[in-house]
Amino acid sequence: DAGITQSPRHKVTETGTPVTLRCHQTENHRYMYWYRQDPGHGLRLIHYSYGVKDTDKGEVSDGYSVSRSKTEDFLLTLESATSSQTSVYFCAISDPNGRNSGNTIYFGEGSWLTVV
Amino acid sequence: AQSVSQHNHHVILSEAASLELGCNYSYGGTVNLFWYVQYPGQHLQLLLKYFSGDPLVKGIKGFEAEFIKSKFSFNLRKPSVQWSDTAEYFCAVNAQGGTYKYIFGTGTRLKVLA
Repeated sequence: DAGITQSPRHKVTETGTPVTLRCHQTENHRYMYWYRQDPGHGLRLIHYSYGVKDTDKGEVSDGYSVSRSKTEDFLLTLESATSSQTSVYFCAISDPNGRNSGNTIYFGEGSWLTVV
Repeated sequence: AQSVSQHNHHVILSEAASLELGCNYSYGGTVNLFWYVQYPGQHLQLLLKYFSGDPLVKGIKGFEAEFIKSKFSFNLRKPSVQWSDTAEYFCAVNAQGGTYKYIFGTGTRLKVLA
């Protein structure tokens, strides 16, 4: 497995509180992503980053913000958590210029977030 | 619009049966193709990938897939499934050229009966 660490792995929080999920990679991959996975919706891209301080929105970015101050770290923040943000969050990495990788995307182990 | 279709949403097989999961994509250019497996409560793990060369690719755990360009298909196969293959399987496509965009299918849940 690729060197991707997500923290926390499990969290229960109250509606209206801010939450930050952290993704740390040791592969020096250029691209980093945050997806959420929900039954019936599959994987949906929240935000992605193509370099330090370079980020952009995915298809379900409302209510989320991200930051990437170092190549290895990509943070996802829920500014004010809502019950609709209860989900499993996966960080992923890829490197389109990596040799022999075929631009493979690799996933972290997931962060289970429950908003009550 | 780019899309990936996995026609079988749920598949139930007995151990030792053969498996074929369909994946069709819609994209006009050259693509990278992937199959991922997600065991219950775990993350997506790469099974195999195709980006060039021999259209028949072999992956881990005895899985293989064949890229048929004319049919825009990348079907996953395994000659003899095991109970431990019970999982959800996702097909994905990414346009060659280094884009960030990956299109994932909605997944196929495979249950293998012992």
